[in-house]
Amino acid sequence: GQQVMQIPQYQHVQEGEDFTTYCNSSTTLSNIQWYKQRPGGHPVFLIQLVKSGEVKKQKRLTFQFGEAKKNSSLHITATQTTDVGTYFCAGIVNTGKLIFGQGTTLQVKP
Amino acid sequence: KAGVTQTPRYLIKTRGQQVTLSCSPISGHRSVSWYQQTPGQGLQFLFEYFSETQRNKGNFPGRFSGRQFSNSRSEMNVSTLELGDSALYLCASKRGDATNEKLFFGSGTQLSVL
Repeated sequence: GQQVMQIPQYQHVQEGEDFTTYCNSSTTLSNIQWYKQRPGGHPVFLIQLVKSGEVKKQKRLTFQFGEAKKNSSLHITATQTTDVGTYFCAGIVNTGKLIFGQGTTLQVKP
Repeated sequence: KAGVTQTPRYLIKTRGQQVTLSCSPISGHRSVSWYQQTPGQGLQFLFEYFSETQRNKGNFPGRFSGRQFSNSRSEMNVSTLELGDSALYLCASKRGDATNEKLFFGSGTQLSVL
């Protein structure tokens, strides 16, 4: 079936280091969305990418959508303790379903 | 504007029982989706409702069912509970039925099956 794989599952970094999570789909995606879930909280929408090769930035966060629209990445520059949480990608497939990746849990050591 | 409201926040049931979870979407939102979240499994899609009609369904057994009312509020029911049904159940709403709309999640119902 259609799957969205996300790696790594966990990442521990020292505050100030960079962090990247990758999302790969078995099929071409219409769009891809990214969400952040703080510990004990619920997912909150961060951004949506639509175009092939699209790159969007939100302060220290950089989001990319692959040329083939099958992969995406989220890069955080100079992590801070406020970045702690689980980051989910969610791809929209041609059936209209939104399929979430398993998430990457980020821990930041001060 | 109030966010997505889910009740109850916590629930403890025993195997074989049934449970009903409730979700009130953001005012004006007509689409409600349900997700099951377990550690390591991410968010598994259960179903989506729009204007009282089920639009999409995930790969869950028939024990999982849902419905949406005319005021867009939604309920999810799980019958004959199993230990593996222990999870955080999240509801999410959006304004319309376009696939590219962002989701607004509730705080979830933490279900424990003993």
